[in-house]
Amino acid sequence: EDQVTQSPEALRLQEGESSSLNCSYTVSGLRGLFWYRQDPGKGPEFLFTLYSAGEEKEKERLKATITKKESFLHITAPKPEDSATYLCAVLLLRGFQKLVFGTGTRLLVSP
Amino acid sequence: SQTIHQWPATLVQPVGSPLSLECTVEGTSNPNLYWYRQAAGRGLQLLFYSVGIGQISSEVPQNLSASRPQDRQFILSSKKLLLSDSGFYLCAWSLINQPQHFGDGTRLSIL
Repeated sequence: EDQVTQSPEALRLQEGESSSLNCSYTVSGLRGLFWYRQDPGKGPEFLFTLYSAGEEKEKERLKATITKKESFLHITAPKPEDSATYLCAVLLLRGFQKLVFGTGTRLLVSP
Repeated sequence: SQTIHQWPATLVQPVGSPLSLECTVEGTSNPNLYWYRQAAGRGLQLLFYSVGIGQISSEVPQNLSASRPQDRQFILSSKKLLLSDSGFYLCAWSLINQPQHFGDGTRLSIL
């Protein structure tokens, strides 16, 4: 069974305190991995696509990396506005292009 | 640029009443369209997907149905709502091998 696990479930950081979020997956036929940010009461907002092990993508204070079994979202010197739930999702081909989501990491950055 | 609209943002309905949620996409042609439900503390669950007009596939058996009357219009319906249909409903679109992009969701409460 395809499975995506995110850790930790919740993370509290002080402003400027860097950390990493983990997304591990057990799937067959991985076509790609996506990271999303979701604010309360809103739909997920796309951040990054990663297609193969060793790939890295950066945007402002966020950097996403990927190996064969997991992906990391590194947050460098976070600010309070980075507070959100971060979701990862794996793209599979199951007769159609299916996304399997993890349950997310709730990040709270305190000033 | 592409945009996705979902409405209403919030809906309160009595048990047994019908439901119609609408989603439209602008700025692209022949997108794949998706309906998800997100329960609190849980990942996004795919309900329906569509690869073209009139082509609907269901991922899980349930009290809901979906229709795609036009290329960029996706409708989620029910004839009689159950208490268990409460949740946060999200519509998304994508092109082949590309990330899915989400609307801002509908918060559905069943009384």
